[in-house]
Amino acid sequence: QKEVEQNSGPLSVPEGAIASLNCTYSDRVSQSFFWYRQYSGKSPELIMSIYSNGDKEDGRFTAQLNKASQYVSLLIRDSQPSDSATYLCAVNGYGQNFVFGPGTRLSVLP
Amino acid sequence: DTAVSQTPKYLVTQMGNDKSIKCEQNLGHDTMYWYKQDSKKFLKIMFSYNNKELIINETVPNRFSPKSPDKAHLNLHINSLELGDSAVYFCASSSRSYEQYFGPGTRLTVT
Repeated sequence: QKEVEQNSGPLSVPEGAIASLNCTYSDRVSQSFFWYRQYSGKSPELIMSIYSNGDKEDGRFTAQLNKASQYVSLLIRDSQPSDSATYLCAVNGYGQNFVFGPGTRLSVLP
Repeated sequence: DTAVSQTPKYLVTQMGNDKSIKCEQNLGHDTMYWYKQDSKKFLKIMFSYNNKELIINETVPNRFSPKSPDKAHLNLHINSLELGDSAVYFCASSSRSYEQYFGPGTRLTVT
């Protein structure tokens, strides 16, 4: 059974701080890794994709991947109250077999 | 223009009925998906269609059947609805990079 794990939270950070979200996965052949943001009552929205080890930056977001440790993380710099949402980690092996984590609820306090 | 659209947005029906949810994408993607998100917010893949061929069929009851008339559409038919089918169903599509784009969801309530 392929698994993706995340801390459910809530993770609370003050406005302007860095929020760090973590994800581990069990399937070593996983190739593609994604972070989605989901506001309450809305659909998941793609934030970042990462395919190789290292860091990938996009604006205030940085994704980090370490395949040896089977670990992927998302850093949100200068957190804003509008970043308050549930963040879903998704992992894809070969083909279209996606597994989503349970999500981490982030709360950014003004 | 909406990239991935679903209809209806809400669906309330009784146990035992048969219902369908429609999905359309205008992104030119080759692969479409159906996901179920239950009350605990766990998002689980149900089906994946690539060029009108079923790629993945997770352990879902055979009461659920995907139908793809063309590359831009993937409909979900559900027979003999049960209380446990109540959930939000999301359609999604992706290109070869596997970045998925989700529809707005259909909230199904079975009474």
